[in-house]
Amino acid sequence: GDSVTQMEGPVTLSEEAFLTINCTYTATGYPSLFWYVQYPGEGLQLLLKATKADDKGSNKGFEATYRKETTSFHLEKGSVQVSDSAVYFCALSDGWKAAGNKLTFGGGTRVLVKP
Amino acid sequence: GAGVSQSPSNKVTEKGKDVELRCDPISGHTALYWYRQSLGQGLEFLIYFQGNSAPDKSGLPSDRFSAERTGGSVSTLTIQRTQQEDSAVYLCASRPLAGVIDHEQYFGPGTRLTVT
Repeated sequence: GDSVTQMEGPVTLSEEAFLTINCTYTATGYPSLFWYVQYPGEGLQLLLKATKADDKGSNKGFEATYRKETTSFHLEKGSVQVSDSAVYFCALSDGWKAAGNKLTFGGGTRVLVKP
Repeated sequence: GAGVSQSPSNKVTEKGKDVELRCDPISGHTALYWYRQSLGQGLEFLIYFQGNSAPDKSGLPSDRFSAERTGGSVSTLTIQRTQQEDSAVYLCASRPLAGVIDHEQYFGPGTRLTVT
């Protein structure tokens, strides 16, 4: 079945550092890829998405590129802020399969940014 | 506008009791999903509803788990004879129209279930 693997945390960074969270996937067909973020005490919210190969999703200074050849969707941000401290989840949905785009999540990566 | 709401926000129950968790999706969203977030299993899909179609129950971990969606809107997840391994945060999400790849899922705040 479909699966998502992302680097384990916690990742601790200083403010203005560069952040990369690796994410790789296995899936049949043509999944859509997502990064969701969960800030402390809040619910899951979509950070960015890409629906086909070579698409780049971006939001709030974060970027991720859908790489079909390496089955990867790594999340990057050039200069993190304390407010970026959160748990980040990589996910895929089953695209055009009949099952309605349910999400398969990675294990989550906790990021802590220190001032 | 109003987002996805879930109730209760926290539930503590004794092992062996039944519990009901409620989800109110965003008005007009036809697709509704339940997920579970637990320490051991991460975030996992449980069940999905689309309109009046038969639900996709492929993620339910045992027959103690069931869910219904009344009138295409509110959903209730029921866990019978709860076990300690059922302790988790249960998340509900809704989506405007399943099968359209560009529609994101909007998540509720979750219900934290603790089975003692």
